[in-house]
Amino acid sequence: GAVVSQHPSRVICKSGTSVKIECRSLDFQATTMFWYRQFPKQSLMLMATSNEGSKATYEQGVEKDKFLINHASLTLSTLTVTSAHPEDSSFYICSAISGGASNEQFFGPGTRLTVL
Amino acid sequence: KQEVTQIPAALSVPEGENLVLNCSFTDSAIYNLQWFRQDPGKGLTSLLLIQSSQREQTSGRLNASLDKSSGRSTLYIAASQPGDSATYLCAVISGYALNFGKGTSLLVTP
Repeated sequence: GAVVSQHPSRVICKSGTSVKIECRSLDFQATTMFWYRQFPKQSLMLMATSNEGSKATYEQGVEKDKFLINHASLTLSTLTVTSAHPEDSSFYICSAISGGASNEQFFGPGTRLTVL
Repeated sequence: KQEVTQIPAALSVPEGENLVLNCSFTDSAIYNLQWFRQDPGKGLTSLLLIQSSQREQTSGRLNASLDKSSGRSTLYIAASQPGDSATYLCAVISGYALNFGKGTSLLVTP
């Protein structure tokens, strides 16, 4: 149980285009999902917290107009990188809380974004 | 702001050795602590989650301990195998937020 998927697993795009990444909880409902970014040899850094049916909460330094998050259902959250630039190239990982007292987060397999 | 540090950054050991990975954190007011494994270019696999009221958790050859008062956790891997080669991440959980360390890159040589 508690499986989280991401699509696509890898995307290459030209500078200036927009890219959408999907995060799905496959066997549970997730009222809260999280989006992280990981640069090479660095920690995962939380970008935003996504709550179903409400606006996402962004971490300091993350541009909400550039990284659009939509959490339209209890099993799907999307991250859209708008007008992507080479410096946005990174590994994007989502996670979801399945509920329960432990607040354990279950992570997706990640999406490798390369902006040319 | 919670700072999580992992030592060493990289470790290479021969197969069969027992090893210890270290994680320290600056704010002891944590909810849980979790250890993950990350293979190159892949997502995270949860290994062990220790709730703040617990001192250790065990799963197979893995044992994780937590000392909140000193802000430390260790991950003990017994009888290491080449398949254990990966990056091991420690994350401190305060409420919903996870604060990750940079990880320890482990290489187990045959």
